[in-house]
Amino acid sequence: SQQGEEDPQALSIQEGENATMNCSYKTSINNLQWYRQNSGRGLVHLILIRSNEREKHSGRLRVTLDTSKKSSSLLITASRAADTASYFCATDEGGRRALTFGSGTRLQVQP
Amino acid sequence: NAGVTQTPKFQVLKTGQSMTLQCAQDMNHNSMYWYRQDPGMGLRLIYYSASEGTTDKGEVPNGYNVSRLNKREFSLRLESAAPSQTSVYFCASSEGGNYGYTFGSGTRLTVV
Repeated sequence: SQQGEEDPQALSIQEGENATMNCSYKTSINNLQWYRQNSGRGLVHLILIRSNEREKHSGRLRVTLDTSKKSSSLLITASRAADTASYFCATDEGGRRALTFGSGTRLQVQP
Repeated sequence: NAGVTQTPKFQVLKTGQSMTLQCAQDMNHNSMYWYRQDPGMGLRLIYYSASEGTTDKGEVPNGYNVSRLNKREFSLRLESAAPSQTSVYFCASSEGGNYGYTFGSGTRLTVV
């Protein structure tokens, strides 16, 4: 199975609501990263959290990491229609020197 | 603009034809990567180059070859294209280790 699995696969919310996406992984990591992909575009790096960190903020984004549960969550607060995109988590599981990506969460923010 | 440039943006090949996808970055990054993305799925690693002069296989290397021409450029070659290689190909670069990746805009390849 794929590493870095996101949950849910799809999420539809209203503008102004918060969106939470989760990611699970299987083995030890040095860091976990979140990316956004707008339709038909390349991925854009959002935030990186290291294995010794538990929470990180960037603007309206909040990422948490629980290494005991091998899981992470991405919270987007006060969502906007422009946040509509697919969101991927990626890890360097198993000491790999390249990131492994999950299959993503498709977020739709209704205006 | 600084970033990762991929060419071409679109390509249609016939089965058995060959082609090279080009990737160049101007951020002086050490590491470069090739991924493919199939509809509704995440990215799968084809090959990567941790530093100039080195290349390594990823998850799905069969049917592909790569060349790290210099620090800026990392090309991906399909020697004999197959319909299963129809995909969107993304090149990325990073400083390595605990750094985020910068992605190109992708090459949409169709093999008929």
